[in-house]
Amino acid sequence: DTAVSQTPKYLVTQMGNDKSIKCEQNLGHDTMYWYKQDSKKFLKIMFSYNNKELIINETVPNRFSPKSPDKAHLNLHINSLELGDSAVYFCASSQEGSEAQYSYEQYFGPGTRLTVT
Amino acid sequence: QKEVEQDPGPLSVPEGAIVSLNCTYSNSAFQYFMWYRQYSRKGPELLMYTYSSGNKEDGRFTAQVDKSSKYISLFIRDSQPSDSATYLCAMHRGFQKLVFGTGTRLLVSP
Repeated sequence: DTAVSQTPKYLVTQMGNDKSIKCEQNLGHDTMYWYKQDSKKFLKIMFSYNNKELIINETVPNRFSPKSPDKAHLNLHINSLELGDSAVYFCASSQEGSEAQYSYEQYFGPGTRLTVT
Repeated sequence: QKEVEQDPGPLSVPEGAIVSLNCTYSNSAFQYFMWYRQYSRKGPELLMYTYSSGNKEDGRFTAQVDKSSKYISLFIRDSQPSDSATYLCAMHRGFQKLVFGTGTRLLVSP
């Protein structure tokens, strides 16, 4: 049973196109995240949703739009793709307790390798 | 300057060696410190976490935090080829936002 799954695993597309990445978690968690990992392995948070509500929105171009239809799903839509968007995008989830410390245990999906040509 | 600094490596060691992986950070508000392991073409997985200063041991792994020096370490004893991976330190000050280091690539040769 896959805890956090992402589709597609690989995505090759041309500049200017619009694409979506989907994420689903079956852990019953109420918080989900999108991260971007660049070619140097630097992992940076992009967005966080808690119970379908946007909590964290880092400095990300507004070409990136997350959408959470329910707390088990978090999708990422990217408009007008640019060469610099090439990276691995990871979805993650965690269970929030009443204290912030519970957010340390984030479960990551396998990643979506996006290549923009 | 990045909030969290980590030597990217690669760090190459023979099987059985003791490995020391380190991170430094600049924000004294960080209170929760984690180590994630990431195998090639996979997502990161949580290895260990510590709260505030001190040591924590789990099998062959020991995590150390020195808040006064803003320095955290992960020690791996009796390293195995299966430990070959990228090790990412991460920390947060609450509000869900984890800040990661760039990761250190570890290669353990048989």
